[in-house]
Amino acid sequence: KAGVTQTPRYLIKTRGQQVTLSCSPISGHRSVSWYQQTPGQGLQFLFEYFSETQRNKGNFPGRFSGRQFSNSRSEMNVSTLELGDSALYLCASSATSGSNEQFFGPGTRLTVL
Amino acid sequence: KNEVEQSPQNLTAQEGEFITINCSYSVGISALHWLQQHPGGGIVSLFMLSSGKKKHGRLIATINIQEKHSSLHITASHPRDSAVYICAVRSRGGADGLTFGKGTHLIIQP
Repeated sequence: KAGVTQTPRYLIKTRGQQVTLSCSPISGHRSVSWYQQTPGQGLQFLFEYFSETQRNKGNFPGRFSGRQFSNSRSEMNVSTLELGDSALYLCASSATSGSNEQFFGPGTRLTVL
Repeated sequence: KNEVEQSPQNLTAQEGEFITINCSYSVGISALHWLQQHPGGGIVSLFMLSSGKKKHGRLIATINIQEKHSSLHITASHPRDSAVYICAVRSRGGADGLTFGKGTHLIIQP
């Protein structure tokens, strides 16, 4: 079974731009969670989607949004980028929502200049 | 909101030593995860547990629900075990997703 894939792997943007990141879960997995990792704050939960519905949302501003498609693929969008949005963005898939083992993708390294 | 504390933050040991990493949390949980992150960013899930003890190869994870504490042990440590080990919890109810500890930077010297 193929693992979780994320595209693109690296991205450079400038302040004020917007960005869309993509995550394809393991085949058969219906839950996708997104996380942000920075040196200062460590790993933080962004949101979780299950069957195209947002189930949980972390403490991030409204500039951060996401969605999940019927094939379970998920995208997250960050609008009006700020320097502080530079981070590694990770997605993880699991079979169902809730307390299940999560399988992480390789991440997208976003740099905002 | 759950607070997750890990100790130690940094650990350097010699090959073959027995390693223990600790994790404490503040609020009742439905599950606790131990994750491993190598340089470059990739994260691997090592264990998910809600009670008792799990073993996989040289790795052992235990959890004490009453004391809100978990430990990750590595027996016969090897340089390839060098990585960041991260504890993460899902609070009961699960409305907040996973809450992560700051991680333990482990270096195993040959």
